[in-house]
Amino acid sequence: EIVMTQSPATLSVSPGERATLSCRASQSVSSNLAWYQQKPGQAPRLLIYGASTRATGIPARFSGSGSGTEFTLTISSLQSEDFAVYYCQQYNNRGTFGQGTKVEIK
Amino acid sequence: QVQLQESGPGLVKPSETLSLTCTVSGGSISSYYWSWIRQPAGKGLEWIGRIYTSGSTNYNPSLKSRVTMSVDTSKNQFSLKLSSVTAADTAVYYCARDSGMGASPWGQGTLVTVSS
Repeated sequence: EIVMTQSPATLSVSPGERATLSCRASQSVSSNLAWYQQKPGQAPRLLIYGASTRATGIPARFSGSGSGTEFTLTISSLQSEDFAVYYCQQYNNRGTFGQGTKVEIK
Repeated sequence: QVQLQESGPGLVKPSETLSLTCTVSGGSISSYYWSWIRQPAGKGLEWIGRIYTSGSTNYNPSLKSRVTMSVDTSKNQFSLKLSSVTAADTAVYYCARDSGMGASPWGQGTLVTVSS
């Protein structure tokens, strides 16, 4: 089973600042990596697939990079609506989620 | 646009079988994978498995012995059965479409509590 590890667990950022979230796979998942945003009481929303392709309707301030075992989600300038929990998921072999990174207001 | 809606009992007794159905509206269920994901209160997401419209399945190895998924294309529905449940299976259960490029869209989720 592929294990996904996200860091940090919590990220404190001021509005307008840049946020960088990391996700590491225990073995290569190629570019079969997705990022999701989840707000309290809501279902997760797909942000990025294929490691770097934004899903429909996702603002350009969200970007993804990486391949193999190391991946990054960058939010270039945090807006108030971006404070949420972010999950990565590999779908190269079945599907495994990371444990999540909470982006909170500093 | 495609919408998903989970349905099923909100309370299941320990050792019994949890059964949920996901109804797909606004589009055909054909030619996609359809996934189940769960989330215990205050915790992260756990991938349970997925089913293709042909009936082919992939399950989480940690749940495989207890999980059965099925699909009914005539009703545009797919289903999850989880047997021998315990309190550890208490969670919000989500269904989602898996296009092979991540899961989207998702249902709103349904809370299932395991308790006597």
